[in-house]
Amino acid sequence: ILNVEQSPQSLHVQEGDSTNFTCSFPSSNFYALHWYRWETAKSPEALFVMTLNGDEKKKGRISATLNTKEGYSYLYIKGSQPEDSATYLCANFGNEKLTFGTGTRLTIIP
Amino acid sequence: DVKVTQSSRYLVKRTGEKVFLECVQDMDHENMFWYRQDPGLGLRLIYFSYDVKMKEKGDIPEGYSVSREKKERFSLILESASTNQTSMYLCASRTGGPYEQYFGPGTRLTVT
Repeated sequence: ILNVEQSPQSLHVQEGDSTNFTCSFPSSNFYALHWYRWETAKSPEALFVMTLNGDEKKKGRISATLNTKEGYSYLYIKGSQPEDSATYLCANFGNEKLTFGTGTRLTIIP
Repeated sequence: DVKVTQSSRYLVKRTGEKVFLECVQDMDHENMFWYRQDPGLGLRLIYFSYDVKMKEKGDIPEGYSVSREKKERFSLILESASTNQTSMYLCASRTGGPYEQYFGPGTRLTVT
């Protein structure tokens, strides 16, 4: 993996269902992995900054895991709500800058 | 409350015009960034600055320049706007290190 890749590109999920999506990044020279949520007409906001292999972070119904050896991170949303509709971005930190994936656009269907 | 502000939410300019996009942060952050966001391409780094008067090219610097005369302010300049610079421009700031980045609300620039 040379760049940061996210899948799927978009996702429609029924309200109340749980979901997850993936971020893949170069596993060599890893420093940190960021997750951001970007709601329409708002600024991207940080969800998690992850640095340790095996790390798991949680914020309410959203959690993320990190595997630095194989170069991937999962973001999980439990019991999706309409306010979870957003684009979720992951970014690989290196040389004082972030390289972003193209995002996963999540739409929650009421 | 942390804040990054951008001078305009929407801007319409003509081809060939010189365009200034201003960004101000109130968090005393060392690092500031300019990105553009285009459908299917994600956020791409144009330029960043890690200190006053310091700048580094990002991934797509062609057609742009920047200025950082004061720590809180980072300006993006389109020397001669072209239609392919129509995009959403986002400014961000961060303290040094792998910490979370704070973004402005974005400027949607249309070049006609």
